[in-house]
Amino acid sequence: SQQGEEDPQALSIQEGENATMNCSYKTSINNLQWYRQNSGRGLVHLILIRSNEREKHSGRLRVTLDTSKKSSSLLITASRAADTASYFCATEKSSGDKLTFGTGTRLAVRP
Amino acid sequence: DAGVIQSPRHEVTEMGQEVTLRCKPISGHDYLFWYRQTMMRGLELLIYFNNNVPIDDSGMPEDRFSAKMPNASFSTLKIQPSEPRDSAVYFCASSLGGSHYEQFFGPGTRLTVL
Repeated sequence: SQQGEEDPQALSIQEGENATMNCSYKTSINNLQWYRQNSGRGLVHLILIRSNEREKHSGRLRVTLDTSKKSSSLLITASRAADTASYFCATEKSSGDKLTFGTGTRLAVRP
Repeated sequence: DAGVIQSPRHEVTEMGQEVTLRCKPISGHDYLFWYRQTMMRGLELLIYFNNNVPIDDSGMPEDRFSAKMPNASFSTLKIQPSEPRDSAVYFCASSLGGSHYEQFFGPGTRLTVL
């Protein structure tokens, strides 16, 4: 079964609005990463947050991590049409080198 | 650096044929991952290598799938014989370290088995 489950599955917003996506996972993790995938392309890494961190920023992106609730959120502020993509969370469990990807949130930003 | 390079970008073949997918990781990266993406199952890790050695192949669907990494700059994923249910997009990714580092994905190979 998937370690990470994103919510919502799909999101449609107007350009300029903020977009929030959530990720829940089941087991303890070392870190959690967010990736973006444009249609027909490979995944692109956005941000990594470690288990001892609670919040991280990168440009218009803000990621939070709540290990007690086993959840993370990705906030994209002032969205642009170019942000239209699928967004995935990926978790590294407490031991091991591999990432387990969630099911993704499809974001559509209307111009 | 050109990033992770995969070939071919598209492959259409008939059931029963052998398919070979190729990957060139980013120079200096010690880890290489093969993933498969489908609508039904999402993104699945098939196998990964560290310093050219296969570490975990538990995601390989069955014996029809095999992967090799003969040197630090080249890896192959082979399906023999191919079946229609193997149709998917196959991604190769590389990273400097294990999964505490970001992974760099190639553009993928879209495989269609008729």
